[in-house]
This record gives sequence, structure tokens and C-alpha cells, in this order.
Amino acid sequence: QKEVEQNSGPLSVPEGAIASLNCTYSDRGSQSFFWYRQYSGKSPELIMFIYSNGDKEDGRFTAQLNKASQYVSLLIRDSQPSDSATYLCAVNRDMDSSYKLIFGSGTRLLVRP
Amino acid sequence: GAGVSQSPRYKVAKRGQDVALRCDPISGHVSLFWYQQALGQGPEFLTYFQNEAQLDKSGLPSDRFFAERPEGSVSTLKIQRTQQEDSAVYLCASSLSVLGRDTQYFGPGTRLTVL
Repeated sequence: QKEVEQNSGPLSVPEGAIASLNCTYSDRGSQSFFWYRQYSGKSPELIMFIYSNGDKEDGRFTAQLNKASQYVSLLIRDSQPSDSATYLCAVNRDMDSSYKLIFGSGTRLLVRP
Repeated sequence: GAGVSQSPRYKVAKRGQDVALRCDPISGHVSLFWYQQALGQGPEFLTYFQNEAQLDKSGLPSDRFFAERPEGSVSTLKIQRTQQEDSAVYLCASSLSVLGRDTQYFGPGTRLTVL
């Protein structure tokens, strides 16, 4: 079992719809959770981070965290074709000796015009 | 300001050659990370520096991989006797401090192809 699991997709949604991306993690010691967007051939860029249970909203993006269920999700409202990319979920154990991110394999999102 | 830069952007090596990949982090960033990303996969951690100290090298796949950051700024990832399985994109990231929740900013990556 991978430490961070994501459906590979592609997840296809029409323009203007809500895209829902999901991620589960296995280490209960995980402290910080990140969503990165990666366009083809480009490097990952941070979209959102969340540390506490519940929802966190930033513009069209909402991150949701449920530590009891070891589940984190990203909702994209009013999806645009420019949102088409691979979305990477990453977790961090926030340990003294290392702050490495553990990434999932990513979910490819396709927003149809 | 300038982001994380990496060079070269592309590198083709014959099997058995040594390669050196360079990372210039954002100025003043204490933490520096190297990740390896295979096609269709998420980045996988290789090693972590806090200033010049290499605090975690648990992700380096073999003793052919070596990284350094001698003055606490620029870092070099060296791969000796490259193998085909080393072909991947090597990403460097930096963050401002030593908090796990600090944003890691990624460079454009170096795409290594080993023939």
C-alpha cells in the first residue's frame, strides 16, 4: 500500500462544474497536507495547504481534511479549461529531522469546454 | 524575485557516465530538497538539507547518488555510473525555514535521459 493514494483519473468534468479530487494517506502521524498542481512538462506549484480538520477555502478552491478517516480532498468550483492539469496530494510528517513531502501519483483533471 | 533555478534543464547521458545536476534555491531559503519524478508518478523524496547539513538522505536509491550543499546555498546532485533506470526528472525545492508546514517551491527540474 502506498503511503498516499490518489485515483489516477482522468477525471473529466464540463466547464463550470465542480471537480472533486480525493486523497487518502496511511500514516496517522501526518501533520500537514498540500495540494500541488502540475501542468504537463512543468514543475509542481502549490495550490493549497491545510493542517486542521475541516474545510479551508481560497477562491474557487476548497481543501477538506478528515484526520480520523485519513482523508483529504480538493474541490474546484466553476472549473475552467485552464484547470486541466495533474493534481498532486502531498503529506508531511513535520519531523525534526526531515520535512520531506510524500506525494501521491496524482489525479489528472480534464475540464471540457 | 527569482525562483528556484536548475541546470541543465535537459541532460542526455550514456550509460556509465557521471552527471551533475545543479540547484540554485531562492535566496535566503534554509531548507533544500531533491526529488525524483518518474513519468506518470508523483515526485519521490531523495534528500534534504538544512543549510549545509544533509539531515535526511533516506531516499537516495543507491550509493551512486550523492548530494552536497557546501555553503548552504547552491546544491549539486551527482549520479555516478548512470543506469537507464536513473532516467527521470530531478526536481529541486526550497523552503524558507525549517517548519514542515512551510511551502516548498519547486524549480523547473532537470530531465535526465540515460541511453
